[in-house]
Amino acid sequence: GAGVSQTPSNKVTEKGKYVELRCDPISGHTALYWYRQSLGQGPEFLIYFQGTGAADDSGLPNDRFFAVRPEGSVSTLKIQRTERGDSAVYLCASSRTSGGLAADTQYFGPGTRLTVL
Amino acid sequence: GDSVTQMEGPVTLSEEAFLTINCTYTATGYPSLFWYVQYPGEGLQLLLKATKADDKGSNKGFEATYRKETTSFHLEKGSVQVSDSAVYFCALMGMKTSYDKVIFGPGTSLSVIP
Repeated sequence: GAGVSQTPSNKVTEKGKYVELRCDPISGHTALYWYRQSLGQGPEFLIYFQGTGAADDSGLPNDRFFAVRPEGSVSTLKIQRTERGDSAVYLCASSRTSGGLAADTQYFGPGTRLTVL
Repeated sequence: GDSVTQMEGPVTLSEEAFLTINCTYTATGYPSLFWYVQYPGEGLQLLLKATKADDKGSNKGFEATYRKETTSFHLEKGSVQVSDSAVYFCALMGMKTSYDKVIFGPGTSLSVIP
């Protein structure tokens, strides 16, 4: 596709359940980012991948959150034992390059709205 | 750490009014600055950007100038339209690290009424 796609668009789950959120970046983009946007706030960084490796996961709030990108393209954000405070819109972004002066614009997907009941 | 502050909303304007949304930042080094827009029901879109001091970013009639001396990147438009109703996010991307997470402000909601 032409842009970043994310599935599902909406996810409702119960407290304590496990969820997976998927991101398909723009073809050829090597850098992939996950952000979380709570209601009325700007997005906050969670994790960054360059290729297959997580280059920085310092934004993940705790060890219930984990993300993978096994083939350097599609990424999955995984949340274990979900809590009501995890409810937010999870955004994925990709860019052609990353790193200092070579950095490129990040293009965002439409997001997955997660609601934990 | 790096941060972005922008004027609180919501902002309500009549069509054809002049728009200013203030944004200031705190960062070490020389960050790139951005305005992103989020239309109702849609994802974040890059509106404009500036990568060095005194650069002016522009798009769709919107403008913002990178002012290093005042650490500001205020968004302006001379004549807003109803279709400009959206949430606007000021953001920065630092250049001192080996990767480029974007740091966003809290967003400013704009409603333009006919």
